[in-house]
Amino acid sequence: GAVVSQHPSRVICKSGTSVKIECRSLDFQATTMFWYRQFPKQSLMLMATSNEGSKATYEQGVEKDKFLINHASLTLSTLTVTSAHPEDSSFYICSARGIDILNEKLFFGSGTQLSVL
Amino acid sequence: EDKVVQSPLSLVVHEGDTVTLNCSYEVTNFRSLLWYKQEKKAPTFLFMLTSSGIEKKSGRLSSILDKKELFSILNITATQTGDSAVYLCAVEALGDYKLSFGAGTTVTVRA
Repeated sequence: GAVVSQHPSRVICKSGTSVKIECRSLDFQATTMFWYRQFPKQSLMLMATSNEGSKATYEQGVEKDKFLINHASLTLSTLTVTSAHPEDSSFYICSARGIDILNEKLFFGSGTQLSVL
Repeated sequence: EDKVVQSPLSLVVHEGDTVTLNCSYEVTNFRSLLWYKQEKKAPTFLFMLTSSGIEKKSGRLSSILDKKELFSILNITATQTGDSAVYLCAVEALGDYKLSFGAGTTVTVRA
């Protein structure tokens, strides 16, 4: 089945640094990728929708200058958390939808646990 | 704004029991309802429902959608400890493919 690879799986960083998270579709072309954030014991909250070759669409309340999204190719989207602060500590997870997939379901990456000290 | 409400928030059962999880929703231009199982990391896909009244089944899990009453249920029969997880319900709207997730139901199956 289709696989989405997300790296890194865990990041611990100091406050003020930037962190880049990669999301790759391994065996299909992903025209659209979604970035979610999940705080402990809460559900997944959509942050932004990323379309290849165009600017990401951010959900209300998500700072586009803080969470930079780049979807430069049909197999790669990146999320950069700029100047991370402790309140950005969360589980970030991507999902991808492909243009060649007949089965109508999204595929999720394995997630990235970000801890900002 | 799309809204997905799951109940109960959590439950504890013993192996062999049957559990029923509920998901009610409000969404503009409904496209589909999806169920996921989340253990420690990424959610894994269980079912996608688009039509009312048609039960989808996979082993001991089954699910059905009622588009008139705007809800879905997920049943797990003969539960096993490996069924312990958070079960997420999500709805998808036409056009943008975005998913709105419910808060999830935490199921704990005790041996």
